[in-house]
Amino acid sequence: QSALTQPASVSGSPGQSITISCTGTSSDVGGYNYVSWYQQHPGKAPKLMIYDVSNRPSGVSNRFSGSKSGNTASLTISGLQAEDEADYYCSSYTSSSTLDWVFGGGTKLTVL
Amino acid sequence: QVQLVQSGAEVKKPGASVKVSCKASGYTFTGYYMHWVRQAPGQGLEWMGRINPNSGGTNYAQKFQGRVTMTRDTSISTAYMELSRLRSDDTAVYYCARDPLPAYYFDYWGQGTLVTVSS
Repeated sequence: QSALTQPASVSGSPGQSITISCTGTSSDVGGYNYVSWYQQHPGKAPKLMIYDVSNRPSGVSNRFSGSKSGNTASLTISGLQAEDEADYYCSSYTSSSTLDWVFGGGTKLTVL
Repeated sequence: QVQLVQSGAEVKKPGASVKVSCKASGYTFTGYYMHWVRQAPGQGLEWMGRINPNSGGTNYAQKFQGRVTMTRDTSISTAYMELSRLRSDDTAVYYCARDPLPAYYFDYWGQGTLVTVSS
């Protein structure tokens, strides 16, 4: 069982917006502004999409945005495109005694 | 441009060890931490640990303590992850990922190395 909880799947039609949630605890998501989001296409390495809750790396479309409220972070993708279909993972730094970084279980985004 | 190029796929028997390499280019190797993350088939991502290439200092997830060793060779800008006493559930793709200090995320990833543990 992953430390951060994400929905297993979400879907949307081209042009629509979707939001993926990522729920943790006060030891990770709620305790630090160090949530990041990664996109992973089948057979490929993860790609950084959002860092420090809401910052976009250079080159990432402004259709991707991040936010956080309490122990839950969210990734919103607006204007869905076919190329957005992928798995998405959240990650957070954690003060856990057993590890320093935790990931969510991943969310499969299907563009209908 | 930043590149992390990992070694090729490995097949190992249970109880054996595997050592995966990650060669960095396009930036100052000693200026950024290197993390190792694995992904079992059809599963999510799992953080294993990190190394400071400058000092050689390491932090490991408790789950892997005693079985994992992360090292580096600064002369060839390469990080290594060795996992011992392999079990079938260690079958996974292993990734190296750069941490752009001071930061708490992974901005560049290697292409991944599939390690298969099978008798």
